[in-house]
Amino acid sequence: QSALTQPASVSGSPGQSITISCTGTSSDVGGYNYVSWYQRHPGKAPKVMIYEVSNRPSGVSDRFSGSKSGNTASLTISGLQAEDEADYYCSSYTGSSTWVFGGGTKLTVL
Amino acid sequence: QVQLVESGGGVVQPGRSLRLSCAASGFSFSTYGMHWVRQAPGKGLEWVAFIWYDGGNKYFADSVKGRFTISRDNSKNTLFLQMNSLRAEDTAVYYCARGSYYEGPFDYWGQGTLVTVSS
Repeated sequence: QSALTQPASVSGSPGQSITISCTGTSSDVGGYNYVSWYQRHPGKAPKVMIYEVSNRPSGVSDRFSGSKSGNTASLTISGLQAEDEADYYCSSYTGSSTWVFGGGTKLTVL
Repeated sequence: QVQLVESGGGVVQPGRSLRLSCAASGFSFSTYGMHWVRQAPGKGLEWVAFIWYDGGNKYFADSVKGRFTISRDNSKNTLFLQMNSLRAEDTAVYYCARGSYYEGPFDYWGQGTLVTVSS
């Protein structure tokens, strides 16, 4: 149950696009299409932004998109806005009714 | 609206026990699997435990297996985490989260309760 690997930080200017990667193994990210992404503002509960690799829950902006290639999943945020500044975490189902999270990525909007 | 409210956190000495609760409202609690997730200071999120909607099966992260147990009382819409043999590395904010369906995602989260293990 090793944590998924995310960059510690990414940054971008308003209006730009950024991508956050999430690297696992064939036992988690690569083996299942149950990758989710969560946004966490300080002091707030996490909010699911993407589920099943690329699906957006109702109410989540279409500026957020997800994809996967092999053992690496990615979250792309286009048209960056100040309100997007937050911590982002990926998560994957790993089979045998267990889950794993990434270490988190701090997004700074310059 | 869906609400999850954790309670029971506090300061506890290493080796002692603590029981966390999570009161659920705004949805049919007895039809959803539930999780505990924690975040240690300066660290990322860590999945801790999962319980089926009916309490019939329970699963744990290796880091807590044999020390923590998860349970639920569907008549009281409440989820529990019994933490025994606590260690300093268990210090974290503990969140309960609803599993939207079996393999995820965690679609609603509580605000968390802080557990500090220290002598």
